[in-house]
Amino acid sequence: DAGVIQSPRHEVTEMGQEVTLRCKPISGHDYLFWYRQTMMRGLELLIYFNNNVPIDDSGMPEDRFSAKMPNASFSTLKIQPSEPRDSAVYFCASSYGHGYGYTFGSGTRLTVV
Amino acid sequence: EDQVTQSPEALRLQEGESSSLNCSYTVSGLRGLFWYRQDPGKGPEFLFTLYSAGEEKEKERLKATLTKKESFLHITAPKPEDSATYLCAVQGGLANNLFFGTGTRLTVIP
Repeated sequence: DAGVIQSPRHEVTEMGQEVTLRCKPISGHDYLFWYRQTMMRGLELLIYFNNNVPIDDSGMPEDRFSAKMPNASFSTLKIQPSEPRDSAVYFCASSYGHGYGYTFGSGTRLTVV
Repeated sequence: EDQVTQSPEALRLQEGESSSLNCSYTVSGLRGLFWYRQDPGKGPEFLFTLYSAGEEKEKERLKATLTKKESFLHITAPKPEDSATYLCAVQGGLANNLFFGTGTRLTVIP
């Protein structure tokens, strides 16, 4: 298995633009998580899905953020409009069931200028 | 509210100098405590899960232990390739997500 695949690896965009981050989880995993990592706050959970259904989106900072999982093999995290304070590394992770370790992707480093 | 505190924030060791990293936690109904390793520019890599006080797990030079309030990651005779940030996370109550600490950045000097 190729692991959790995220794209793009790096994204530089101007303030106000729409940004879409993509994630392909490990086949057979039924949980998918989006995390954001910054130096100041560490890893923060944004949203997670179980069997493609959003379960907890309480970590999504504001309405500018949205996430979808149209099928078991694909998820997107969209920021519209983007702001400089959204600059961070965004990680996608997946797992089979709960109580087990997650497998993380390599992350997308987002810079909003 | 779930809380995870890791100490120290940073640790420099000479190769072969054993030490321990600490993870103190507060969570309602611990379901699991997780240790991850993160290298620069990469996602966290799963190391261990501990489920109950008294449990221990080992992998090469790493050994994780768990009490009711904290976990330790013991590193025996570390090598430069053990240099990384080590993250601790807890899963508790009905939540299925992991709540992470901010990590300990370990540097092992040859």
